[in-house]
Amino acid sequence: DVKVTQSSRYLVKRTGEKVFLECVQDMDHENMFWYRQDPGLGLRLIYFSYDVKMKEKGDIPEGYSVSREKKERFSLILESASTNQTSMYLCASSLGYVAFFGQGTRLTVV
Amino acid sequence: AQSVTQLDSQVPVFEEAPVELRCNYSSSVSVYLFWYVQYPNQGLQLLLKYLSGSTLVKGINGFEAEFNKSQTSFHLRKPSVHISDTAEYFCAVSALGNQFYFGTGTSLTVIP
Repeated sequence: DVKVTQSSRYLVKRTGEKVFLECVQDMDHENMFWYRQDPGLGLRLIYFSYDVKMKEKGDIPEGYSVSREKKERFSLILESASTNQTSMYLCASSLGYVAFFGQGTRLTVV
Repeated sequence: AQSVTQLDSQVPVFEEAPVELRCNYSSSVSVYLFWYVQYPNQGLQLLLKYLSGSTLVKGINGFEAEFNKSQTSFHLRKPSVHISDTAEYFCAVSALGNQFYFGTGTSLTVIP
């Protein structure tokens, strides 16, 4: 089975902190994604990566950056966390035409 | 670009009754279609997918969906729901497999 692992299930951070969300997949997938999920808005794509060191902006990249130094790891970085970044963050990977998701990280910024 | 519309944000249904969750998509190219399920505080789990071939697709947990190209729809159905089907359901579309577009979700509540 494909396994996509997010390093934290729950995080609480203070406004202005730098936050790292880590995601690791074990299936040698080319593509990796970071989504943000909010009630009534569904999943919105923040960034995706189709290869090591390659990244593309999604629909809502403002306030976020990403890093992909190794194929299996895709990190989402909040340079200076703000309360409007309180959300559920979902990482996914894909090879071919199916995306596989991690368990999600619920981030609260206070 | 592609987009997905899930017409119903909340669907309550009695246990053992049938259910249909509606999904319409928009795309100028051929697409692949998916339904995902999300249980509380979990990630998304693939329920079923349409890539090609038969337009009636069967998935896990007794769910099925039918791809209708002329109506650009991919509705999800189950003939008899269980309490354990209570969850959020997301329809998604992908044109190339390297980007996925999701609907806003339908919250299915099964009432005992």
